[in-house]
Amino acid sequence: DGGITQSPKYLFRKEGQNVTLSCEQNLNHDAMYWYRQDPGQGLRLIYYSQIVNDFQKGDIAEGYSVSREKKESFPLTVTSAQKNPTAFYLCASSNLAAPGELFFGEGSRLTVL
Amino acid sequence: AQTVTQSQPEMSVQEAETVTLSCTYDTSESDYYLFWYKQPPSRQMILVIRQEAYKQQNATENRFSVNFQKAAKSFSLKISDSQLGDAAMYFCAYRGASGTYKYIFGTGTRLKVLA
Repeated sequence: DGGITQSPKYLFRKEGQNVTLSCEQNLNHDAMYWYRQDPGQGLRLIYYSQIVNDFQKGDIAEGYSVSREKKESFPLTVTSAQKNPTAFYLCASSNLAAPGELFFGEGSRLTVL
Repeated sequence: AQTVTQSQPEMSVQEAETVTLSCTYDTSESDYYLFWYKQPPSRQMILVIRQEAYKQQNATENRFSVNFQKAAKSFSLKISDSQLGDAAMYFCAYRGASGTYKYIFGTGTRLKVLA
């Protein structure tokens, strides 16, 4: 089945550690996105990529890094520089053509202990 | 920069009744797309309905319809014959038709359906 797979679903991290969230899609979409979801703040864009080997910062990129070495994959690293990393993270993809809806993964819940 | 505003943090509706969720947006672009997404307790985001700005006709999907007012930059979602399964967070989203293809989301409206 075509879709987006995020892993892990739940992740616990100690302060000062980097952690990488995986996102893989088999929809042949060009564009991929990472969002952070906090209560009362909706979805905020962290990074996005419209083509392999290229990506742009979103509204809250500080403390995060990404790579796009393959069309199917867009991993997100939450670094120790991210001051408040505990959140729910959503990966999404789109083919950019009309009507261009976003397809979402099931999300990853990161908790910093 | 484009913004999306949902001014109703929470709404309630009786089962079988109709409810309207509000969304306004700000943009200088003339062509764009608007979306409503539903996020149930499972947290899986589900597309409810989409609207292309160049289409004057309001989109409909079964019990879901929108009232798209381009001049007023308003995009409300109407849910008819509300069901218990409609209880969820609802997010309004915007994407330009060209350029950076960023999707901008509102803060969401939590809909409660009362039996």
